Amino acid sequence: AQTVTQSQPEMSVQEAETVTLSCTYDTSESDYYLFWYKQPPSRQMILVIRQEAYKQQNATENRFSVNFQKAAKSFSLKISDSQLGDAAMYFCAYRSVTNFGNEKLTFGTGTRLTIIP
Amino acid sequence: DAGVIQSPRHEVTEMGQEVTLRCKPISGHNSLFWYRQTMMRGLELLIYFNNNVPIDDSGMPEDRFSAKMPNASFSTLKIQPSEPRDSAVYFCASQPDGETEAFFGQGTRLTVV
Repeated sequence: AQTVTQSQPEMSVQEAETVTLSCTYDTSESDYYLFWYKQPPSRQMILVIRQEAYKQQNATENRFSVNFQKAAKSFSLKISDSQLGDAAMYFCAYRSVTNFGNEKLTFGTGTRLTIIP
Repeated sequence: DAGVIQSPRHEVTEMGQEVTLRCKPISGHNSLFWYRQTMMRGLELLIYFNNNVPIDDSGMPEDRFSAKMPNASFSTLKIQPSEPRDSAVYFCASQPDGETEAFFGQGTRLTVV
């Protein structure tokens, strides 16, 4: 079974600065997807960024980028130019791509990000 | 599209009562997931349907929990009888075949007293 570990329960960053959230995972599969979801106080789960394991290039979405290290099974999220609206819980998640019936997401325990004005 | 719609948003019930949570997935999405979020266990999958058929229900905690998907536009998660330890946020998510992104509803916060 796959596991996802987020070792930072809480992080804080000064507004406009850069912060990196860590995620490691364990799997025996060679092909899979990794995601970062944001959960603001509204409770809505919002997809921030996704990475396909077979792609070597790190995914980027505006101020959000990932550092995907497949051999190390590491998938960190970098938020540049942090804004007050980035304050939320961030969840790392894993999904198989192999067989039908494996579309479920396995989540880490989350990192609470605070933005300091 | 209005997104995944869950009802109610909040539910408070007494121990022993039956609780039914509802979900309307995004039209055209073939897969529907029920997740539960608690402080102790985080986000975990309860059950997953594809084309209205349950594919993986290994996360359903016990017989008190049941889920149905009678048609492509509606699913329910029922707890009978409810217990205080069932207090959590329950999320429904849907996803089209061949896509990687799951779209989440706003969740139902259940409190069992």
